[in-house]
Amino acid sequence: DAGVIQSPRHEVTEMGQEVTLRCKPISGHNSLFWYRQTMMRGLELLIYFNNNVPIDDSGMPEDRFSAKMPNASFSTLKIQPSEPRDSAVYFCASSTGGSTEAFFGQGTRLTVV
Amino acid sequence: GESVGLHLPTLSVQEGDNSIINCAYSNSASDYFIWYKQESGKGPQFIIDIRSNMDKRQGQRVTVLLNKTVKHLSLQIAATQPGDSAVYFCAESWGNTPLVFGKGTRLSVIA
Repeated sequence: DAGVIQSPRHEVTEMGQEVTLRCKPISGHNSLFWYRQTMMRGLELLIYFNNNVPIDDSGMPEDRFSAKMPNASFSTLKIQPSEPRDSAVYFCASSTGGSTEAFFGQGTRLTVV
Repeated sequence: GESVGLHLPTLSVQEGDNSIINCAYSNSASDYFIWYKQESGKGPQFIIDIRSNMDKRQGQRVTVLLNKTVKHLSLQIAATQPGDSAVYFCAESWGNTPLVFGKGTRLSVIA
């Protein structure tokens, strides 16, 4: 298996633009997580899905952030409009659910200028 | 103005020595614990995990110790190598909740 695949690896965008981050989880995993990593706050959970259904989005910073999982093999995290303070590394992870190991993708480094 | 970054604790270890990285977790109800290694430019990678019904678990060159009384977790790396240089995170979970990560410790191996 290729592991969790995220795209793009790097994204530089101007403030106000829409940004879409993509994730393909490991086949057979039914839980998917979006984390954000910054120097200030470390690794924070933004949202997670079980069986394609959003379970907890309390970590999403504000309404500018939205996430979808239209099927078991694809998820998106969208920021509209983007702001400089959104600059971070965004990780997608997947697992078989419950208290188990989560497998992380390589991350998307987002820079908003 | 200048932003203040997260100050990661740093552990410097001589190559070949043993390393001990410590973590205090927050929730007494946590029943699953895991250590991840993150190298620069990469996502966190699983090292070892342990459930709350155990107090010790060993892997290849790594041992995790769990002390539920004081809510403390440690990762021991035997014969530390330059390739072990990375940031190490502990994470906890309870029930079916997602992993909650600690702030991390930077391990620097001196050759």
